[in-house]
Amino acid sequence: AQTVTQSQPEMSVQEAETVTLSCTYDTSENNYYLFWYKQPPSRQMILVIRQEAYKQQNATENRFSVNFQKAAKSFSLKISDSQLGDTAMYFCAFIVSVQFFGNEKLTFGTGTRLTIIP
Amino acid sequence: KAGVTQTPRYLIKTRGQQVTLSCSPISGHRSVSWYQQTPGQGLQFLFEYFSETQRNKGNFPGRFSGRQFSNSRSEMNVSTLELGDSALYLCASSLTGSGIQYFGAGTRLSVL
Repeated sequence: AQTVTQSQPEMSVQEAETVTLSCTYDTSENNYYLFWYKQPPSRQMILVIRQEAYKQQNATENRFSVNFQKAAKSFSLKISDSQLGDTAMYFCAFIVSVQFFGNEKLTFGTGTRLTIIP
Repeated sequence: KAGVTQTPRYLIKTRGQQVTLSCSPISGHRSVSWYQQTPGQGLQFLFEYFSETQRNKGNFPGRFSGRQFSNSRSEMNVSTLELGDSALYLCASSLTGSGIQYFGAGTRLSVL
């Protein structure tokens, strides 16, 4: 069974600053994907970034980047130049590689509530 | 392309009733997954459908069921509602093999 742990229930940061959200996971699988999803007050779950476990290079999407440490089973999200629109719940999520038929189950962490202060 | 559409957005039911929630996936997506989100339990996987077949099921009682139609639209049903079923129910669709799930805005169910 897979588990995902987010140890920071809440964080806040001043606008334009950089913030890092932590995530650790546990699995015996070797092929998997990791994600960060964002859920603003509108409730819509939005994909922020994806990391494939077989790739050593850390994923980057504009102001969002990850620090993926496979051996340590760590997957943190860095948000640079934070903006008011980044205020949301952030969920770390895990899925075993869907290369094999029949696995589309995401396992989520408990989330980190991030507030960007003007 | 239109996103994942869930209807209705809000529902209020009383204990003992049953409810049906609907999800229309992104065009071309054949996999539909359902999740329950509550403050206490967080996000929990309910089940996943692909080509009208349930492929995966989470640890929920048999009162929770679902189905998928030939056009990939999916419904989930909860019978004999309990107070603890009050939650945000999220539907997600994916292009099988991509590993990425796209979520709808959810249905907020309140059981009184």
